[in-house]
Amino acid sequence: EDKVVQSPLSLVVHEGDTVTLNCSYEVTNFRSLLWYKQEKKAPTFLFMLTSSGIEKKSGRLSSILDKKELSSILNITATQTGDSAIYLCAVRYNFNKFYFGSGTKLNVKP
Amino acid sequence: DAGITQSPRHKVTETGTPVTLRCHQTENHRYMYWYRQDPGHGLRLIHYSYGVKDTDKGEVSDGYSVSRSKTEDFLLTLESATSSQTSVYFCAIRELADTDTQYFGPGTRLTVL
Repeated sequence: EDKVVQSPLSLVVHEGDTVTLNCSYEVTNFRSLLWYKQEKKAPTFLFMLTSSGIEKKSGRLSSILDKKELSSILNITATQTGDSAIYLCAVRYNFNKFYFGSGTKLNVKP
Repeated sequence: DAGITQSPRHKVTETGTPVTLRCHQTENHRYMYWYRQDPGHGLRLIHYSYGVKDTDKGEVSDGYSVSRSKTEDFLLTLESATSSQTSVYFCAIRELADTDTQYFGPGTRLTVL
């Protein structure tokens, strides 16, 4: 059965800390892995990783795809309270379908 | 926001009644998706469309039907709503250029009493 598993389910850190969020997947015909940030509204796109592009970076956020381990990590350095959100991992498979993990809830305290 | 709107934004209905949610896009994207989001489950794909009159099922399609008679509109219908269909429903478009990713509408909160 296709699945995407994220860990931890929730995380509490203080401003300035570095966090690592994990996503593992097991799907047929993997195409790409995506990370989204969701505050109290619709998810917003962060990164897309494919077999031909396994590392992305944008400011304090970075993500790596491990094709061998079928997993990805999302790193956030020097966290800020504005980083508090649910982070969703999704995998595109079978050409057109997307499968989402249940998310990691990050709470950054001042 | 990729020009996506959803209507209604909030709806309360009773068990057994039909409900139709609308997703409208302004940028002529070929692929459109319907998801539901429940606590502890992330986003789960209900149905998606890859063109006018072309649709396919997702992982939680039972109890839902969809229609797409024109490029800009993708309708989700609950023929006979049940309390288990209380959820937040998100529509998404898939942008094939550059990142080949999805952009989401603002969501519809549906409560079935």
